[in-house]
Amino acid sequence: EIVLTQSPGTLSLPPGEGATLSCRASQSVDSNFLAWYLHKPGQAPRLLIYGASNRATGIPDRFSGSGSGTDFTLTISRLEPEDFAVYYCQHYARSPWTFGQGTKVEIK
Amino acid sequence: QVQLQESGPGLLKPSQTLSLTCTVSGASISSGTYYWSWIRQPAGKGLEWIGRIYSSGSTSYYPSLKSRVTISLDTSKNQFSLKLTSATAADTAVYYCATDLGKFDFWGQGTLVTVSS
Repeated sequence: EIVLTQSPGTLSLPPGEGATLSCRASQSVDSNFLAWYLHKPGQAPRLLIYGASNRATGIPDRFSGSGSGTDFTLTISRLEPEDFAVYYCQHYARSPWTFGQGTKVEIK
Repeated sequence: QVQLQESGPGLLKPSQTLSLTCTVSGASISSGTYYWSWIRQPAGKGLEWIGRIYSSGSTSYYPSLKSRVTISLDTSKNQFSLKLTSATAADTAVYYCATDLGKFDFWGQGTLVTVSS
């Protein structure tokens, strides 16, 4: 199975700052089948990015995804109050689908 | 817009079978548009994909759970279900159902299942 490792574990930033989150795969993710989710306590995760760089429906353009192969990045250009949450990457290149362990973005 | 809602017992004892149902609206589970997945999150931990089913009944499971998991369809009720046998405290988690095209576009709100004596 493909193991996804996210870094950093926690990111402490003030609103308005930019954030860069990393997701590294133990094997190449074919066709860039890599997604990012935002997850807040008590809520369902929300799909942000799929295919490594495509924004899901309704996702603001301050969220962008990039990368290929084994290294992927989620960038948030300017943090809004509603962006403080845990972010997960997930691959869907081949079964079993797996998630990274998450990056928590907290208010500094 | 697809909507999903999990339901089932919130508490069970070790060795019992965990059984959950996901009721789908806004899409037909027999249409073949989506696969239908179960995902869980143990307290303080990350997300874990459990398995999925297609309209044909074809299933795929996470390897470490495969021996204990069954996912099935009830097309008459537009529902799909999860059964996890021989539950232990390690199976205590919030369980989500979701549409699956590899990426998970639509999710239920999740239901907490606690395994405790």
